[in-house]
Formats: sequence, structure tokens, C-alpha cells
Amino acid sequence: QARLVESGGGLVQPGGSLRLSCEASGFTFTDFIMSWVRQAPGKGLEWLSSVTSTAASKYSADSVKGRFSISRDNTKNSTYLQMDALGVEDTAIYYCARVRKVAYFDLWGRGILVSVSS
Amino acid sequence: EIVLTQSPATLSLSPGERATLSCRASQNINSFLAWYQQKPGQAPRLVIHDASNRATGIPARFSGNGSGTDFTLTINSLEPEDFAVYYCQQRRSWPPLTFGRGTKVEIK
Repeated sequence: QARLVESGGGLVQPGGSLRLSCEASGFTFTDFIMSWVRQAPGKGLEWLSSVTSTAASKYSADSVKGRFSISRDNTKNSTYLQMDALGVEDTAIYYCARVRKVAYFDLWGRGILVSVSS
Repeated sequence: EIVLTQSPATLSLSPGERATLSCRASQNINSFLAWYQQKPGQAPRLVIHDASNRATGIPARFSGNGSGTDFTLTINSLEPEDFAVYYCQQRRSWPPLTFGRGTKVEIK
């Protein structure tokens, strides 16, 4: 059964860094683009970043460009989101998502909470 | 950036009724639109892709329609498990991929 499991979230002070991980299982990881999407408390969904199957191309939203960096390790069936210079506005649940048909999200992790607060 | 506007914000219906949700794009997105369902405390779930194609495992009471700038998601005969928030998302022009702000389908 296909599955995505996020880890690495938690409480961090403003200006701090976190690295989220997403481990995939139950499908051929190298066949898919992978992405991160977040959801602030009580708010809607916001796409953050996507990385192609070989990591040759990466795309990011302007809101996180220069602060967040997506990567993947196909030997570990994992994708990562390095988050630097975090602000209170980055407080959200972060979802790892598998991409189907270029840019639809057909498999989601359960999400992980990142809280930015002093 | 393509902006997606969903309406209404909240839809109050009873089980067995039909739900019609709207998503309007700020520019032509052909049929490159998806719908997601999200229940409280859960991750979103893909319901419809490419405007009218049901995702794997989605019941036939869910249908999508539209092209260009105007799209609808219809849920025929609402079941208790269908009460949730629904988001539309476009992939016609990205980055960025964009979502609508959601429509909550609640029990009347």
C-alpha cells in the first residue's frame, strides 16, 4: 500500500531552521515528482515546492523562495524540505505529496506540524 | 498567478441532497483543474482531476464539469461521509500551483 510519512516537525524560534523528511513506501519512488504543501491553522492549502523524479528540476512558491529548499534521495525513497529563516507566518501543517499527471497531488502524508514561536 | 475563486464559502445541505460547488479561474486553464476533499484532522484527498475524471476509489456520485474558467463539482445524494471542505487546484500555469480557498459542505 502506497504511503508517505513525514517527520522532523516541531517548535522552533523565529529565525530558526528545520528540516522535514518524507519517507515513501509501497510504490516506485523514482517514477514520481514529489511536493510539499502546507496549511496554516484554519486556512487553506498552499503549494510550496516540487522536485522532479531525478531532482534535475525544482520549483518553489515565491513565498518561500530563498528560504526553503526541496531535495530528494532516491536511494532512501525520501524527499526533504530544508526550511531556514522561519517566521511566525510559517506555522502550519506541512504535507508531503506525490504528484500525478504533472501537477496533481494523488497521495498525501498525514502531515506534520511546524510551530514558529518565541 | 492564476487565482481560483470558490463559491459558496459554505453550503448547508441535508444527507440525500445534491451539492453543487463552483470554482472560477482568473484566466483560461483549459481542463487542468482538480478537486480535493478534506475532512477535519485529515490530509486532503484527490477527488477529480482534469476537470471531470474521478480519481481512484472515488464514488460515482462525485462528478466534475467545466473548462476554460468555470468549473463545478457535483455530489449527487450526499452521504454522511461527504461533509467536508472541498478545494479546487489548477495546473495550467505554474509555478505557482494554486488552490481555491475552499467550500465547506456542512450538515444542515
